[in-house]
Amino acid sequence: DTGVSQDPRHKITKRGQNVTFRCDPISEHNRLYWYRQTLGQGPEFLTYFQNEAQLEKSRLLSDRFSAERPKGSFSTLEIQRTEQGDSAMYLCASSLDTLYGYTFGSGTRLTVV
Amino acid sequence: AQKVTQAQTEISVVEKEDVTLDCVYETRDTTYYLFWYKQPPSGELVFLIRRNSFDEQNEISGRYSWNFQKSTSSFNFTITASQVVDSAVYFCALSEGSSNTGKLIFGQGTTLQVKP
Repeated sequence: DTGVSQDPRHKITKRGQNVTFRCDPISEHNRLYWYRQTLGQGPEFLTYFQNEAQLEKSRLLSDRFSAERPKGSFSTLEIQRTEQGDSAMYLCASSLDTLYGYTFGSGTRLTVV
Repeated sequence: AQKVTQAQTEISVVEKEDVTLDCVYETRDTTYYLFWYKQPPSGELVFLIRRNSFDEQNEISGRYSWNFQKSTSSFNFTITASQVVDSAVYFCALSEGSSNTGKLIFGQGTTLQVKP
């Protein structure tokens, strides 16, 4: 059990560029979550996968955001045409059961300049 | 609507002092789960505790203790004899039983600074 891994740890991009983040959950966890955390705020739910199925998306997830989890393993979060307001920490978490706390990754910090 | 409020934005204490972090929640569900997470400067959220709505027993784990009171919709967290390593941002979170996703609603967090 190596925990939840996220890559990259930091990303600086110019406004208008596309970016993609990767999350590798704990191998036996079938549930995977993406959250966004802006400075001074708590994390906000973005989307949830059970295995490869994306079962819920927040209204925070605009059309420029897309997430996938092919084969129910790793997940990617893509942001197209980035805006300065997308600057945040993007956190991934996985779990085996809804009744217990997730295991979070260290996050990807995105800065849009 | 569900909501978690952590009214204390920042708390500063001197090492060995006791400190209590407040958490008030709102939900219409009768079944729900409350959590506390710690976020050190490294950024990773570390799970501390989960409590379900049917278990109002207080819990103690070493220097940490939690007081859950349904009558006041509060789930407060106390650190006894604080240490410098306790310095971090602490988040309270709520998960509603009616939600099959298990998504968490977080409070805004309380930054705890423990000075030597």
